[in-house]
Amino acid sequence: DGGITQSPKYLFRKEGQNVTLSCEQNLNHDAMYWYRQDPGQGLRLIYYSQIVNDFQKGDIAEGYSVSREKKESFPLTVTSAQKNPTAFYLCASRASDRGSTDTQYFGPGTRLTVL
Amino acid sequence: EDQVTQSPEALRLQEGESSSLNCSYTVSGLRGLFWYRQDPGKGPEFLFTLYSAGEEKEKERLKATLTKKESFLHITAPKPEDSATYLCAVSRSGNTGKLIFGQGTTLQVKP
Repeated sequence: DGGITQSPKYLFRKEGQNVTLSCEQNLNHDAMYWYRQDPGQGLRLIYYSQIVNDFQKGDIAEGYSVSREKKESFPLTVTSAQKNPTAFYLCASRASDRGSTDTQYFGPGTRLTVL
Repeated sequence: EDQVTQSPEALRLQEGESSSLNCSYTVSGLRGLFWYRQDPGKGPEFLFTLYSAGEEKEKERLKATLTKKESFLHITAPKPEDSATYLCAVSRSGNTGKLIFGQGTTLQVKP
């Protein structure tokens, strides 16, 4: 089955720790995205990547970092500099070849809680 | 500034009671408008993409329409399994594919 997987489903972080959230897709999509979802708010873009070895900051990139070494993988690191990291994190991907739609497809999400 | 506003925030319907959800937007150069369904604790599930005013798309009990300022998601004779949060998003011209999301409408359908 083609799709997007995220792991872990639940993650607990202590103050001062860095944690890495995994996102893998087998849809052969070029573009990948990370969003954060808080109660009562819309999804907010953290980082995105349109091609391997390249990525751009979204609207709320402070305290986060990413890498894109493989087309299939786009891990997100939540650093200790992120002051309020408790949230639901969503990864998405999109085909970006000529003629493709802009539709993004989402993974199941990771819920991060700071203890 | 690009903005997406959804209304109402929450909607309660009786099974079979049809209604509409609204998504109004302001964006420079609309490229596409997207509707997603999200169940609690899960990732959004894609429903529709609309590209131009006047366009309509249907799937089972759902029908999405688009004007130059807003989109409606019409739900005909809803069932309890239609209960979810419905998200609206827009993309603007350019090929980054970045989406701007509204806050969502939480729909509860009672049997």
